[in-house]
Amino acid sequence: DIQMTQSPSSVSASVGDRVTITCRASQGISSWLAWYQQKPGKAPKLLIYTASSLQSGVPSRFSGSGSGTDFTLTISSLQPEDFATYYCQQANSFPFTFGGGTKVEIK
Amino acid sequence: QVQLVDSGGGVVQTGGSLRLSCAASGFTFSSCGMHWVRQAPGKGLEWVAFIRYDGGNNYYADSVKGRFTISRDNSKNTLYLQMNTLRADDTAVYYCAKEGGVAAHIFDFWGQGTLVTVSS
Repeated sequence: DIQMTQSPSSVSASVGDRVTITCRASQGISSWLAWYQQKPGKAPKLLIYTASSLQSGVPSRFSGSGSGTDFTLTISSLQPEDFATYYCQQANSFPFTFGGGTKVEIK
Repeated sequence: QVQLVDSGGGVVQTGGSLRLSCAASGFTFSSCGMHWVRQAPGKGLEWVAFIRYDGGNNYYADSVKGRFTISRDNSKNTLYLQMNTLRADDTAVYYCAKEGGVAAHIFDFWGQGTLVTVSS
């Protein structure tokens, strides 16, 4: 199975800050990576697919990059509604696996 | 608009069975692969199972293989997860998720989740 490792596990930031979350795959997955946002008590929401494509309706302050084994999710200017937990997911091969999550908290 | 409504969760004893359902609307259900993903209390996301648009080529996580069965009824626009021989570590919120329309094996829409609690 492909292991997905996210860092950091949590980050404290202020509104307006730039936040970067990284995700590393245990083997190459080309660009088959997605990012999700989850708020407490809610289902996850797709933000980014194929590493850098923005899902329809997602604000442009979210961006993704990377290929192979190393990937990044960047929030260019953190907004109050962005405080949540973020997960990466490899879509390269079964079984699909998620990173452990990164909780973005208010500083 | 796409809507997925999960149901069927509840409290069940260790070793028992439960069947989850996911009612789909707002898209052509019979053309889309579907997944189940679960989340144990306070934990991360775990992919559980996938079924192809026509019911063929099912895949499972090792943790549920041989105990869980994913199925679908395209005439009813409904996805199912039959869960047998339940264990305490199956306790989780279970979400159905639609296969991405723009890329394979991503989850572009999710149900609201249904909680399964396995107790001894």
